[in-house]
Amino acid sequence: QQQVKQSPQSLIVQKGGIPIINCAYENTAFDYFPWYQQFPGKGPALLIAIRPDVSEKKEGRFTISFNKSAKQFSLHIMDSQPGDSATYFCAAAETSGSRLTFGEGTQLTVNP
Amino acid sequence: GAVVSQHPSWVICKSGTSVKIECRSLDFQATTMFWYRQFPKQSLMLMATSNEGSKATYEQGVEKDKFLINHASLTLSTLTVTSAHPEDSSFYICSASPLRFPNEQFFGPGTRLTVL
Repeated sequence: QQQVKQSPQSLIVQKGGIPIINCAYENTAFDYFPWYQQFPGKGPALLIAIRPDVSEKKEGRFTISFNKSAKQFSLHIMDSQPGDSATYFCAAAETSGSRLTFGEGTQLTVNP
Repeated sequence: GAVVSQHPSWVICKSGTSVKIECRSLDFQATTMFWYRQFPKQSLMLMATSNEGSKATYEQGVEKDKFLINHASLTLSTLTVTSAHPEDSSFYICSASPLRFPNEQFFGPGTRLTVL
């Protein structure tokens, strides 16, 4: 019930491509879904977050798509750049600000 | 805004010693602070949740007598790894939820602990 499953485990795209990372959850009580970006040796940084009352949210080059009925959400990175190469984690929480359940992470490599 | 710092950024210690890691919210007050550990190429594992002035809530399987957490103020939480052993070597990361934005968790830069 508390799991968040993330795929793919790793992803390689060319500069300008649109990597898509998917997450699925089981707990219908989850109501807050953030995405984090982590560079090696650093802590995660919040990229963008969504709540179940909207199906899409965009901030800059990052877009979250949310499908409540399927219990899935995904991150799209438009016009990806080599500097976007990092590990991305999806997460979910029952109440905003409460404990987060993280996905397994996706290591993204954007080739020049 | 919403900056979280950790000190030290890395530490090497001998087996059997204790190590204290500090987590500070620099420009906001935090209702709740969280402590995670992360092994190489793995996800973050929540160890405990702490609220200022109260005892921490530990996740199942985390030894509270080994990982002592003190949340003394709205801007400071500490994690002490007692009698550290090589298997405790890991990347420890804290996060904090601001009073004004309880929706979000802001993460510190992490502390790399190596126990020899």
